Amino acid sequence: LAKTTQPISMDSYEGQEVNITCSHNNIATNDYITWYQQFPSQGPRFIIQGYKTKVTNEVASLFIPADRKSSTLSLPRVSLSDTAVYYCLVGDSWGKLQFGAGTQVVVTP
Amino acid sequence: DTGVSQNPRHKITKRGQNVTFRCDPISEHNRLYWYRQTLGQGPEFLTYFQNEAQLEKSRLLSDRFSAERPKGSFSTLEIQRTEQGDSAMYLCASSNSAQGYEQYFGPGTRLTVT
Repeated sequence: LAKTTQPISMDSYEGQEVNITCSHNNIATNDYITWYQQFPSQGPRFIIQGYKTKVTNEVASLFIPADRKSSTLSLPRVSLSDTAVYYCLVGDSWGKLQFGAGTQVVVTP
Repeated sequence: DTGVSQNPRHKITKRGQNVTFRCDPISEHNRLYWYRQTLGQGPEFLTYFQNEAQLEKSRLLSDRFSAERPKGSFSTLEIQRTEQGDSAMYLCASSNSAQGYEQYFGPGTRLTVT
């Protein structure tokens, strides 16, 4: 499974856009890029998945350059409730997810 | 759809005892995954099933751990002769086979071994 590298933490103010970039230099051709969110004492929650270019849903956008060696999760206009750990993962559809330590995002008023 | 459920939510046991956790996946999901998470770390893959077949077991999982998914519905994870190092949150997730990367996680079972 490809390993990922992402920042340990990021701070933001309410209403700002938060962009978390993840590196996955060894991504395989059949790998997807997936992001999860986790609040304390809860299981992770699926946010978004993409293979290439840009994907947008009601929660976030995911930007993937042509070489697919990195990806950026964009959270628009964050609120206090977006304070959580965000995980970037790569893997195929079998779903054996390999989580790293994630990025702790802290949103303050 | 009530989501993935796990029981018990908390378990305190003494070292050397056996414990069993249960996971009920989303009914139409044929894949079921077990993960373990310790404080400050991301979840660590343990094993997964497609229907009743156990497809893979992590090399990190000792022989004291066993998982089953009879009839391809609920799953149980048993830990024999628990050790203090087994203290962790045990998470279960389910997905359909076409989109295994989109997993729905349960609330977890927090195990404390004293």
